[in-house]
Amino acid sequence: DAGVIQSPRHEVTEMGQEVTLRCKPISGHDYLFWYRQTMMRGLELLIYFNNNVPIDDSGMPEDRFSAKMPNASFSTLKIQPSEPRDSAVYFCASSLGPPSNTEAFFGQGTRLTVV
Amino acid sequence: AQKVTQAQTEISVVEKEDVTLDCVYETRDTTYYLFWYKQPPSGELVFLIRRNSFDEQNEISGRYSWNFQKSTSSFNFTITASQVVDSAVYFCALSEPWEGGADGLTFGKGTHLIIQP
Repeated sequence: DAGVIQSPRHEVTEMGQEVTLRCKPISGHDYLFWYRQTMMRGLELLIYFNNNVPIDDSGMPEDRFSAKMPNASFSTLKIQPSEPRDSAVYFCASSLGPPSNTEAFFGQGTRLTVV
Repeated sequence: AQKVTQAQTEISVVEKEDVTLDCVYETRDTTYYLFWYKQPPSGELVFLIRRNSFDEQNEISGRYSWNFQKSTSSFNFTITASQVVDSAVYFCALSEPWEGGADGLTFGKGTHLIIQP
């Protein structure tokens, strides 16, 4: 398996534009997580899905952020409109079960820069 | 609430030295899980270890070892005979599976380990 695949690897966009980050989890994994990494706040959980259903989105910073998982092999994280403070590395991770019980595999991340 | 503290922001040692990365956690639950992840310069996060709160046995994997002490709420990570390839940011993380909120990982801020040749 190729592991968790995220695209794009790098994204530069202007403030106010919509940006969509994509993730393909490892086949067979029932859990999918979106994390954000910044220098100030470190790694933060934004939202996670179990069997394509969003379970907890309490980490999503604002209504400008939304995430979907239309099927077991694809998820998106959308920011609309984007702001400079959204600049960060966004990681997607997947696991067979909850991370308390199983290893979570991370993608290589998407580095987002909003100018 | 849960919290993970990695007080060492950056550590620099010379190759072949032993180095210990500290991790202190806070939780009110009796059942929880602790993790270490490595983030090399390439950016991805690599899983190293997972421990549950009922297993206080120390673990050794090659040059890596972990010391879990519930009495001090610590889960420290030691690299023996460090190598340049060990240079990375290391994250300690906590998960409380029955917490009412997210069943994700709460990460510490990370320790940047620099191994000098």
